[in-house]
Amino acid sequence: DAKTTQPTSMDCAEGRAANLPCNHSTISGNEYVYWYRQIHSQGPQYIIHGLKNNETNEMASLIITEDRKSSTLILPHATLRDTAVYYCIVFNNAGNMLTFGGGTRLMVKP
Amino acid sequence: DAGVTQSPTHLIKTRGQQVTLRCSPKSGHDTVSWYQQALGQGPQFIFQYYEEEERQRGNFPDRFSGHQFPNYSSELNVNALLLGDSALYLCASSPTGQGLNTEAFFGQGTRLTVV
Repeated sequence: DAKTTQPTSMDCAEGRAANLPCNHSTISGNEYVYWYRQIHSQGPQYIIHGLKNNETNEMASLIITEDRKSSTLILPHATLRDTAVYYCIVFNNAGNMLTFGGGTRLMVKP
Repeated sequence: DAGVTQSPTHLIKTRGQQVTLRCSPKSGHDTVSWYQQALGQGPQFIFQYYEEEERQRGNFPDRFSGHQFPNYSSELNVNALLLGDSALYLCASSPTGQGLNTEAFFGQGTRLTVV
């Protein structure tokens, strides 16, 4: 699976949009971009995934660049409960394992 | 729906001992994966079970073994425990392997401390 690069940490003001970037320049055509987050001492939680089109669900939006080499996860109105480590993963649907990197530690501040 | 449940939540073992961790997948899921998460790091894939067989394995020694039962629940066994095995062990379930348009659901994990 392709490797991803994410900033180690980010801060966001409560109520503002949080934009978390991810670079995946070696992504293959059949690899999806998945986002998970992990709140302290809990198991990772699925957020969203996409192949090449932008995606939106009740939690977040995922913007994938046209060349698919990078993406941005958007939390439209961050709350204190969104403080977590966010993992960007590229996943080949023929494979079976998620390869987690170090993720981005998002701190939402009042 | 109880989601993915793991037991026990915490465990303390002595070096050289053996440990068994248990996982019940989310209802409707037949595939179980195990991950090890050391403090401050992302989860690392150990192996995945489907149809009671190990389907894929990560870079872990043979001291790590598993089993899947007919009801899809799973066990992770670690023999000859080392201090470095101290970690959060996560179980994830998914429907028929993690493939197109599916996502893995994770349990809360078992915190193993080896002393």
